[in-house]
Amino acid sequence: GAVVSQHPSRVICKSGTSVKIECRSLDFQATTMFWYRQFPKQSLMLMATSNEGSKATYEQGVEKDKFLINHASLTLSTLTVTSAHPEDSSFYICSASSGGEGNEQFFGPGTRLTVL
Amino acid sequence: GQQLNQSPQSMFIQEGEDVSMNCTSSSIFNTWLWYKQDPGEGPVLLIALYKAGELTSNGRLTAQFGITRKDSFLNISASIPSDVGIYFCAGQLSQGGSEKLVFGKGMKLTVNP
Repeated sequence: GAVVSQHPSRVICKSGTSVKIECRSLDFQATTMFWYRQFPKQSLMLMATSNEGSKATYEQGVEKDKFLINHASLTLSTLTVTSAHPEDSSFYICSASSGGEGNEQFFGPGTRLTVL
Repeated sequence: GQQLNQSPQSMFIQEGEDVSMNCTSSSIFNTWLWYKQDPGEGPVLLIALYKAGELTSNGRLTAQFGITRKDSFLNISASIPSDVGIYFCAGQLSQGGSEKLVFGKGMKLTVNP
């Protein structure tokens, strides 16, 4: 099956710093990647959808200047949390799809971000 | 953001028992999906349903896509300890090239050996 990796799996940073999370599709080309945020004991909430080579589409209420998304290649998307604050602490999960309607999204293992 | 109504929120069962969970929505979906998530990991797809009324099985799992396209249920038969985890339903509209998923709130399953 298709494999999606995320790096790092865990990161702890100080308030005010920026953190970059990578999402890679290892054995397929992902024309579309999705970024989700999951707070403890809650569901996955979509943050943004990114298509390779174009700007990401952010969900309502998600600050695009705070959560920078780059999808520069068909196998890599990055999420940068800028000027992180403790309330940004969460589990960030990406998924990747080869595109087209109805194509399965393959999820990464998630990145646990803790902002001190 | 939009969420599906998933119930129950949690269940405690004995090994060997069956368990059912369902999801409802005020909106129609073209695809219903059921995922399992273990602590600290990403969700893993269990079953995907693509047609209204469709009944699909995957081992001990059975899921149905409601005829109104606004609901789905998942059954797990003869539960085993490794079934423990959080189960999420998700709906996908697949409209206008968008593949966005909307997730339910999840059901935490505990299986007592």
